[in-house]
Amino acid sequence: DAMVIQNPRYQVTQFGKPVTLSCSQTLNHNVMYWYQQKSSQAPKLLFHYYDKDFNNEADTPDNFQSRRPNTSFCFLDIRSPGLGDAAMYLCATSRGGILNEQFFGPGTRLTVL
Amino acid sequence: QKEVEQNSGPLSVPEGAIASLNCTYSDRGSQSFFWYRQYSGKSPELIMFIYSNGDKEDGRFTAQLNKASQYVSLLIRDSQPSDSATYLCAVNGKDTGNQFYFGTGTSLTVIP
Repeated sequence: DAMVIQNPRYQVTQFGKPVTLSCSQTLNHNVMYWYQQKSSQAPKLLFHYYDKDFNNEADTPDNFQSRRPNTSFCFLDIRSPGLGDAAMYLCATSRGGILNEQFFGPGTRLTVL
Repeated sequence: QKEVEQNSGPLSVPEGAIASLNCTYSDRGSQSFFWYRQYSGKSPELIMFIYSNGDKEDGRFTAQLNKASQYVSLLIRDSQPSDSATYLCAVNGKDTGNQFYFGTGTSLTVIP
């Protein structure tokens, strides 16, 4: 089945230790997104790629970076995780354009010690 | 980020009743509207999307859109305990159509 896959599902890191989260898709969608979701809050859009074009949200901290080496894969790098970065990180994809819905992966739960 | 607001609840309804979930949005240029269901600890799952004013029905779910009032709602008929979850409203961004913004969600509990 076509899907959005995230690895790992659970990630524990230490304060200040860089971490990379992975997302892959078999839907061949043009757009890939990264969201941060904290408990009882809305998913917060961090950035998205339309093909290779990177679009950063204005309020996304510099501590968060992303890479999309090809259509299928997208990575979220947190350079120096702080305690406030503990959250669920959601990857999503879309064909792109106004009338197309998003599909989410299962998420990666990040814990920062 | 664009503003999307939902009545946060929690909303409790008895099994078999109609649950009504509401959402308002600030960006008048928004054109696509989505309802997601999110179980605790899980990722959002798309339930319905609507683009045109009026009603759209899919099984027990009906989405209603009023662009003039910047209002979108979701009705769940014959509510079941398995419908107990948080329901997220999402709208697209005006500029590119590729940006989606979410409300904080409404927690629904269906009481058997």
